[in-house]
Amino acid sequence: EPEVTQTPSHQVTQMGQEVILRCVPISNHLYFYWYRQILGQKVEFLVSFYNNEISEKSEIFDDQFSVERPDGSNFTLKIRSTKLEDSAMYFCASSSGSQGQPQHFGDGTRLSIL
Amino acid sequence: AQSVTQLGSHVSVSEGALVLLRCNYSSSVPPYLFWYVQYPNQGLQLLLKYTSAATLVKGINGFEAEFKKSETSFHLTKPSAHMSDAAEYFCAVLSLSGSARQLTFGSGTQLTVLP
Repeated sequence: EPEVTQTPSHQVTQMGQEVILRCVPISNHLYFYWYRQILGQKVEFLVSFYNNEISEKSEIFDDQFSVERPDGSNFTLKIRSTKLEDSAMYFCASSSGSQGQPQHFGDGTRLSIL
Repeated sequence: AQSVTQLGSHVSVSEGALVLLRCNYSSSVPPYLFWYVQYPNQGLQLLLKYTSAATLVKGINGFEAEFKKSETSFHLTKPSAHMSDAAEYFCAVLSLSGSARQLTFGSGTQLTVLP
């Protein structure tokens, strides 16, 4: 069964450094998403992406965050200057449509900011 | 705004017993509802979904959920718990505002299965 893959599984970064989290969505999916889960808290929506542009973003997704689909397979989340509070599990998801089709999630990248 | 409430952050059942995980939602429009399961060190795996068809939805691993509009509930059940069901379970509602399709998650319920 096709799946969403994320790399790396764990990223440790110094505060203030840039980090790029990578995702390969399911190949025929058109909608892409990033969510995050701070330890002990809810899974929170960050951003959705369709047709090479952001569809919607949450309040969390400030100017330090950006997303990109650099080629036909990868979908990346960049945090320009990391803060301690960016430490979380980041999940990528994709879906084939936007009318109730389920979002399929990767295994996540655990980001630890030191 | 849509929201999801999961009653009980931790639920323990004996192996072979009924599993009942509670989820209530609030939505101004007919919702799309989902249950996801997260095993340790893994991502979110879709268990089942409700998308306005049958109100009783069957999912993987013997789980099912019933959509009750009058109670704004979408509780997850399994007749007989197995040790392998131990995991964290998340209920989620899909926002359909504009072009956005963001999931709003509940806070999760950790299921423990006792031998």
